[in-house]
Amino acid sequence: DSGVTQTPKHLITATGQRVTLRCSPRSGDLSVYWYQQSLDQGLQFLIQYYNGEERAKGNILERFSAQQFPDLHSELNLSSLELGDSALYFCASSSMDREPYGYTFGSGTRLTVV
Amino acid sequence: GDSVTQMEGPVTLSEEACLTINCTYTATGYPSLFWYVQYPGEGLQLLLKATKADDKGSNKGFEATYRKETTSFHLEKGSVQVSDSAVYFCALSDRYSTLTFGKGTMLLVSP
Repeated sequence: DSGVTQTPKHLITATGQRVTLRCSPRSGDLSVYWYQQSLDQGLQFLIQYYNGEERAKGNILERFSAQQFPDLHSELNLSSLELGDSALYFCASSSMDREPYGYTFGSGTRLTVV
Repeated sequence: GDSVTQMEGPVTLSEEACLTINCTYTATGYPSLFWYVQYPGEGLQLLLKATKADDKGSNKGFEATYRKETTSFHLEKGSVQVSDSAVYFCALSDRYSTLTFGKGTMLLVSP
């Protein structure tokens, strides 16, 4: 157990639907990062939050959004889902805002859009 | 923008063989460099890191040296084990601490 908890582990949904992925960071970590892993695109950075505020944005689609709550857990919302959104979604956390002394990754949520 | 290029896999080796997985990067400034490992069905785990030129990261018999002159961070191990079979990702971090990953290299070690 890495200390980063992601739920659910697996999700199967239909095109056009909306889903929410949840991440609880390791205790004491203030930064949360979301990554998408697919066979063709590899690991793509989506978005980072630090202590509740958006810190950096990567290749995140407008149909996707995220937030970090006061208890530091984070949610990634994916809407108007398309077949191409099928992927592994990873959350990672770190204690620092800038210098990464090693991210800790969760085990991921596998999203399948049918 | 920043990018990381890794050798394509899979890399297939026999147990006790030597391993080298090449990684080169493009970045502005002076990034930190990392190797992560992903075992089947699991998330990524930090294997080793180096934060400045000529630093050598090491862990579990794996080593990588930050070479600024060749913009490389090759992963090496002198004697691989079956349990080393996994996907290995080279990554760099920018000044905002977000990680940019290479596409990953699968390593398959046979007994």
